[in-house]
Amino acid sequence: DTEVTQTPKHLVMGMTNKKSLKCEQHMGHRAMYWYKQKAKKPPELMFVYSYEKLSINESVPSRFSPECPNSSLLNLHLHALQPEDSALYLCASSHALGAGIEAFFGQGTRLTVV
Amino acid sequence: QKEVEQNSGPLSVPEGAIASLNCTYSDRGSQSFFWYRQYSGKSPELIMSIYSNGDKEDGRFTAQLNKASQYVSLLIRDSQPSDSATYLCAVNIDNNNDMRFGAGTRLTVKP
Repeated sequence: DTEVTQTPKHLVMGMTNKKSLKCEQHMGHRAMYWYKQKAKKPPELMFVYSYEKLSINESVPSRFSPECPNSSLLNLHLHALQPEDSALYLCASSHALGAGIEAFFGQGTRLTVV
Repeated sequence: QKEVEQNSGPLSVPEGAIASLNCTYSDRGSQSFFWYRQYSGKSPELIMSIYSNGDKEDGRFTAQLNKASQYVSLLIRDSQPSDSATYLCAVNIDNNNDMRFGAGTRLTVKP
Protein backbone atom coordinates (compact mmCIF):
# COMPACT_ATOMS: atom_id res chain seq x y z
CA ASP A 1 0.00 0.00 0.00
CA THR A 2 1.60 3.25 -1.16
CA GLU A 3 -1.40 5.43 -0.47
CA VAL A 4 -1.34 8.91 0.96
CA THR A 5 -4.82 10.29 1.52
CA GLN A 6 -5.57 13.99 1.50
CA THR A 7 -8.81 15.71 2.42
CA PRO A 8 -10.59 17.66 1.18
CA LYS A 9 -9.92 17.34 -2.55
CA HIS A 10 -11.19 20.84 -3.20
CA LEU A 11 -11.55 23.82 -0.88
CA VAL A 12 -12.84 27.33 -1.44
CA MET A 13 -12.30 29.73 1.42
CA GLY A 14 -12.61 33.41 2.11
CA MET A 15 -9.72 35.52 3.29
CA THR A 16 -11.10 35.67 6.84
CA ASN A 17 -11.81 31.95 7.14
CA LYS A 18 -9.92 29.33 9.11
CA LYS A 19 -9.64 25.88 7.55
CA SER A 20 -7.44 22.82 7.78
CA LEU A 21 -6.01 20.41 5.23
CA LYS A 22 -5.50 16.83 6.33
CA CYS A 23 -3.11 14.11 5.23
CA GLU A 24 -2.88 10.48 6.36
CA GLN A 25 -0.58 7.57 5.55
CA HIS A 26 -0.27 4.05 6.95
CA MET A 27 3.02 3.00 5.35
CA GLY A 28 5.05 3.42 8.52
CA HIS A 29 6.78 6.45 7.04
CA ARG A 30 8.33 8.83 9.57
CA ALA A 31 8.87 11.80 7.25
CA MET A 32 5.94 13.83 5.97
CA TYR A 33 5.95 16.83 3.69
CA TRP A 34 3.80 19.73 2.57
CA TYR A 35 4.37 21.15 -0.91
CA LYS A 36 2.62 23.99 -2.71
CA GLN A 37 2.24 23.83 -6.48
CA LYS A 38 1.08 26.66 -8.72
CA ALA A 39 -0.04 26.00 -12.28
CA LYS A 40 2.77 24.99 -14.65
CA LYS A 41 5.33 25.19 -11.84
CA PRO A 42 7.09 22.43 -9.90
CA PRO A 43 6.13 21.55 -6.32
CA GLU A 44 7.65 23.99 -3.86
CA LEU A 45 8.69 22.63 -0.47
CA MET A 46 6.93 24.23 2.51
CA PHE A 47 7.46 21.99 5.57
CA VAL A 48 9.02 18.67 6.48
CA TYR A 49 8.30 16.66 9.61
CA SER A 50 10.70 13.94 10.64
CA TYR A 51 9.72 11.67 13.54
CA GLU A 52 6.82 14.05 14.30
CA LYS A 53 9.16 17.01 14.70
CA LEU A 54 9.32 19.96 12.33
CA SER A 55 12.68 19.65 10.60
CA ILE A 56 12.31 22.04 7.68
CA ASN A 57 10.31 25.27 7.42
CA GLU A 58 11.02 27.06 4.16
CA SER A 59 10.26 30.52 5.55
CA VAL A 60 6.56 29.95 5.01
CA PRO A 61 4.27 32.81 6.18
CA SER A 62 2.67 32.23 9.57
CA ARG A 63 -0.79 32.12 8.02
CA PHE A 64 0.18 28.51 7.23
CA SER A 65 0.60 26.44 10.39
CA PRO A 66 1.59 22.77 10.17
CA GLU A 67 0.85 20.15 12.77
CA CYS A 68 1.86 16.51 13.08
CA PRO A 69 -0.36 14.91 15.77
CA ASN A 70 1.16 11.45 15.28
CA SER A 71 3.30 9.51 12.84
CA SER A 72 0.38 8.86 10.46
CA LEU A 73 -1.23 12.28 10.33
CA LEU A 74 -0.21 15.68 9.05
CA ASN A 75 -2.35 18.80 9.08
CA LEU A 76 -1.97 22.23 7.56
CA HIS A 77 -3.97 24.93 9.31
CA LEU A 78 -4.90 27.93 7.18
CA HIS A 79 -5.85 31.37 8.44
CA ALA A 80 -6.18 34.79 6.78
CA LEU A 81 -4.99 33.56 3.42
CA GLN A 82 -4.56 35.73 0.36
CA PRO A 83 -5.83 35.05 -3.18
CA GLU A 84 -2.24 34.38 -4.28
CA ASP A 85 -2.19 31.39 -1.91
CA SER A 86 -4.58 29.62 -4.26
CA ALA A 87 -2.73 26.51 -5.45
CA LEU A 88 -2.58 22.73 -5.29
CA TYR A 89 -1.34 21.65 -1.86
CA LEU A 90 0.41 18.32 -1.90
CA CYS A 91 1.23 16.06 1.00
CA ALA A 92 3.91 13.38 0.69
CA SER A 93 5.53 10.82 2.94
CA SER A 94 8.71 8.77 2.94
CA HIS A 95 11.02 6.85 5.21
CA ALA A 96 13.05 9.30 7.24
CA LEU A 97 16.47 7.76 6.77
CA GLY A 98 18.36 5.32 4.61
CA ALA A 99 18.27 4.39 0.95
CA GLY A 100 14.54 3.82 0.62
CA ILE A 101 13.46 7.41 1.00
CA GLU A 102 11.21 7.59 -2.04
CA ALA A 103 8.40 10.02 -1.37
CA PHE A 104 4.83 9.20 -2.30
CA PHE A 105 2.29 11.94 -2.91
CA GLY A 106 -1.35 12.25 -2.09
CA GLN A 107 -3.82 13.49 -4.70
CA GLY A 108 -3.63 17.01 -3.38
CA THR A 109 -6.08 19.63 -2.19
CA ARG A 110 -6.94 22.27 -4.74
CA LEU A 111 -7.36 25.45 -2.73
CA THR A 112 -9.06 28.59 -3.98
CA VAL A 113 -8.96 31.73 -1.83
CA VAL A 114 -11.65 34.27 -2.67
CA GLN B 1 22.19 28.97 -8.59
CA LYS B 2 19.15 26.72 -8.73
CA GLU B 3 19.57 23.48 -6.84
CA VAL B 4 17.97 21.26 -9.49
CA GLU B 5 17.85 22.25 -13.15
CA GLN B 6 15.93 20.76 -16.03
CA ASN B 7 15.25 21.86 -19.56
CA SER B 8 11.59 22.86 -19.38
CA GLY B 9 11.00 21.81 -22.99
CA PRO B 10 8.60 21.17 -24.49
CA LEU B 11 10.14 17.97 -25.80
CA SER B 12 8.29 16.28 -28.62
CA VAL B 13 9.09 12.78 -29.90
CA PRO B 14 7.26 10.45 -32.28
CA GLU B 15 5.59 7.32 -30.97
CA GLY B 16 8.09 4.48 -30.65
CA ALA B 17 11.11 6.76 -30.30
CA ILE B 18 13.40 7.18 -27.29
CA ALA B 19 12.73 10.22 -25.12
CA SER B 20 15.74 11.56 -23.22
CA LEU B 21 15.24 13.81 -20.21
CA ASN B 22 18.10 15.48 -18.38
CA CYS B 23 18.70 17.01 -14.96
CA THR B 24 21.64 18.59 -13.18
CA TYR B 25 21.98 19.38 -9.49
CA SER B 26 24.21 21.65 -7.48
CA ASP B 27 24.71 19.84 -4.15
CA ARG B 28 27.65 17.48 -4.60
CA GLY B 29 26.71 15.63 -1.41
CA SER B 30 23.27 14.54 -2.66
CA GLN B 31 22.75 10.79 -2.58
CA SER B 32 19.14 10.23 -3.64
CA PHE B 33 17.58 11.05 -6.99
CA PHE B 34 14.07 10.55 -8.29
CA TRP B 35 12.00 10.94 -11.41
CA TYR B 36 8.33 11.73 -11.10
CA ARG B 37 5.68 11.88 -13.80
CA GLN B 38 2.86 14.38 -13.47
CA TYR B 39 -0.19 14.44 -15.68
CA SER B 40 -2.05 17.71 -15.99
CA GLY B 41 -4.21 18.32 -12.92
CA LYS B 42 -2.83 15.29 -11.07
CA SER B 43 -0.24 14.79 -8.37
CA PRO B 44 3.34 13.62 -9.04
CA GLU B 45 3.79 9.86 -9.42
CA LEU B 46 7.15 8.26 -8.63
CA ILE B 47 8.50 6.30 -11.59
CA MET B 48 12.20 5.81 -10.80
CA SER B 49 14.66 6.23 -7.97
CA ILE B 50 18.44 5.92 -8.28
CA TYR B 51 21.14 6.09 -5.65
CA SER B 52 24.32 4.73 -7.28
CA ASN B 53 26.33 5.75 -10.31
CA GLY B 54 25.37 3.97 -13.48
CA ASP B 55 22.13 2.81 -15.04
CA LYS B 56 18.96 1.46 -13.48
CA GLU B 57 16.35 -0.09 -15.72
CA ASP B 58 12.66 -0.68 -15.02
CA GLY B 59 10.62 -1.76 -18.03
CA ARG B 60 10.78 0.97 -20.68
CA PHE B 61 12.44 3.39 -18.27
CA THR B 62 16.18 3.74 -17.60
CA ALA B 63 17.60 6.18 -15.09
CA GLN B 64 21.26 7.15 -15.39
CA LEU B 65 23.30 8.80 -12.65
CA ASN B 66 26.74 10.39 -12.85
CA LYS B 67 27.66 11.91 -9.50
CA ALA B 68 31.00 13.25 -10.73
CA SER B 69 29.18 15.34 -13.34
CA GLN B 70 26.18 15.95 -11.03
CA TYR B 71 23.89 14.71 -13.73
CA VAL B 72 20.91 12.40 -13.78
CA SER B 73 18.83 11.43 -16.79
CA LEU B 74 15.77 9.42 -17.72
CA LEU B 75 15.37 7.49 -20.95
CA ILE B 76 11.95 6.31 -22.07
CA ARG B 77 12.13 3.63 -24.76
CA ASP B 78 9.31 2.90 -27.20
CA SER B 79 7.55 6.12 -26.19
CA GLN B 80 3.77 5.98 -26.15
CA PRO B 81 1.22 8.82 -26.34
CA SER B 82 0.28 7.90 -22.76
CA ASP B 83 3.79 8.95 -21.71
CA SER B 84 2.89 12.55 -22.55
CA ALA B 85 3.24 14.37 -19.24
CA THR B 86 5.58 16.61 -17.27
CA TYR B 87 8.60 14.78 -15.88
CA LEU B 88 10.02 16.14 -12.66
CA CYS B 89 13.53 15.47 -11.44
CA ALA B 90 13.85 15.50 -7.65
CA VAL B 91 16.97 15.46 -5.50
CA ASN B 92 17.22 14.82 -1.80
CA ILE B 93 19.52 17.59 -0.60
CA ASP B 94 21.93 16.59 2.17
CA ASN B 95 19.96 13.35 2.66
CA ASN B 96 17.78 14.95 5.32
CA ASN B 97 14.41 14.64 3.58
CA ASP B 98 14.96 18.05 1.98
CA MET B 99 13.62 17.00 -1.43
CA ARG B 100 13.74 19.63 -4.16
CA PHE B 101 12.28 19.55 -7.62
CA GLY B 102 13.49 20.80 -10.94
CA ALA B 103 11.19 22.89 -13.09
CA GLY B 104 10.03 19.79 -14.99
CA THR B 105 10.21 18.86 -18.66
CA ARG B 106 6.99 18.67 -20.61
CA LEU B 107 7.05 15.66 -22.94
CA THR B 108 4.67 15.14 -25.84
CA VAL B 109 4.65 11.83 -27.69
CA LYS B 110 2.98 12.19 -31.08
CA PRO B 111 1.11 9.23 -32.60
